[in-house]
Amino acid sequence: DAGVTQTPRHEVAEKGQTIILKCEPVSGHNDLFWYRQTKIQGLELLSYFRSKSLMEDGGAFKDRFKAEMLNSSFSTLKIQPTEPKDSAVYLCASSLDWGGYAEQFFGPGTRLTVL
Amino acid sequence: GDSVTQTEGQVTVSESKSLIINCTYSATSIAYPNLFWYVRYPGEGLQLLLKVITAGQKGSSRGFEATYNKETTSFHLQKASVQESDSAVYYCALSERGSNYQLIWGSGTKLIIKP
Repeated sequence: DAGVTQTPRHEVAEKGQTIILKCEPVSGHNDLFWYRQTKIQGLELLSYFRSKSLMEDGGAFKDRFKAEMLNSSFSTLKIQPTEPKDSAVYLCASSLDWGGYAEQFFGPGTRLTVL
Repeated sequence: GDSVTQTEGQVTVSESKSLIINCTYSATSIAYPNLFWYVRYPGEGLQLLLKVITAGQKGSSRGFEATYNKETTSFHLQKASVQESDSAVYYCALSERGSNYQLIWGSGTKLIIKP
């Protein structure tokens, strides 16, 4: 069974550009998460989908970050416009039935550098 | 608010020696915290190491153990004898069972094994 896949693995963007990160969850999983990881802030939740419905939109990340789940097997995270402070690793994870305790399966991440 | 604290950013242990990685939590808005340890081995994605959802219980996996101590609000990770293959970054996290409450993450502890 394939795990969570993320593309691209690395992305370099100029300030002000729009970038789209992609994620394919584990087949059959109902929950999908987008996280941002930086050395200073650690792991922060950006978005959470339950059966394709947006459950959590990340509060402070709302204005320039938009996650979508077009179908049960594909999600995108758009950052528009990018800023240098967005440089981070973006992780996608999925879970069969999260409920606050099920295992989350993580992808390898996309390392974003904004110049 | 709710938080997880890992006081050591890096721990160095000699091979075959014992290990303890500290984790304490604050769960002011969570009635029934669930506690997790996730691990990221070099070149791999984050993966669940163990979890405990009941206070007083112990979880174990791959020779690692952690006991959910409600009195001291701690969930320290221990191993009796480490191996070089245990070199990784370990993350403590908490959530609330029965809800879609997000995972609250610690800052991570990098474990370095000396041969």
